[in-house]
Amino acid sequence: GAVVSQHPSWVICKSGTSVKIECRSLDFQATTMFWYRQFPKQSLMLMATSNEGSKATYEQGVEKDKFLINHASLTLSTLTVTSAHPEDSSFYICSAQAGANYEQYFGPGTRLTVT
Amino acid sequence: KQEVTQIPAALSVPEGENLVLNCSFTDSAIYNLQWFRQDPGKGLTSLLLIQSSQREQTSGRLNASLDKSSGRSTLYIAASQPGDSATYLCAVRPGWDGGFKTIFGAGTRLFVKA
Repeated sequence: GAVVSQHPSWVICKSGTSVKIECRSLDFQATTMFWYRQFPKQSLMLMATSNEGSKATYEQGVEKDKFLINHASLTLSTLTVTSAHPEDSSFYICSAQAGANYEQYFGPGTRLTVT
Repeated sequence: KQEVTQIPAALSVPEGENLVLNCSFTDSAIYNLQWFRQDPGKGLTSLLLIQSSQREQTSGRLNASLDKSSGRSTLYIAASQPGDSATYLCAVRPGWDGGFKTIFGAGTRLFVKA
């Protein structure tokens, strides 16, 4: 149990276009999901906290108008990278929080390449 | 502000060696600490999770310890194998006050030579 999926697993898009990444909790409900970004040979950095039914909370330095987060249901959060630029190329990982002990389960990640 | 530091940044050892990876954190008010493995270009594989009330966890050849008061955790790998080659990440999770926002260390890149 406690599986988190991400779709797509990898995506290539052209500069200026938008791309949506989905994060799903497959067998549990998650009121809170987190989005992380990892640049090559660097660690994961938290981008935002997504709560079902409310606006996401963004970390300092993360542009909320560029990285649109929607958590419309208890099993799905989406991250849309708008007007993508090559510097947005990164590995994006989500996690879902559930249970009385606030367990966190990570998705497999989505590799975004902007050309 | 919580900061997580991992030492060494990289490590190369011959097969069969026992090794220790270190993680330190600046704020002892944590909810739990977790060690992950990440292979190149891949996602995270959870290795061991230590709750704030625990002092260690073991799984197979892996043993992780936690000393909250000193802000330290170690990951011990016994009898290392080439398949252990990966980046090992230490992640600290604060509680309510920190919004449960996990903070990751920069990782230790391990290479085990056959």
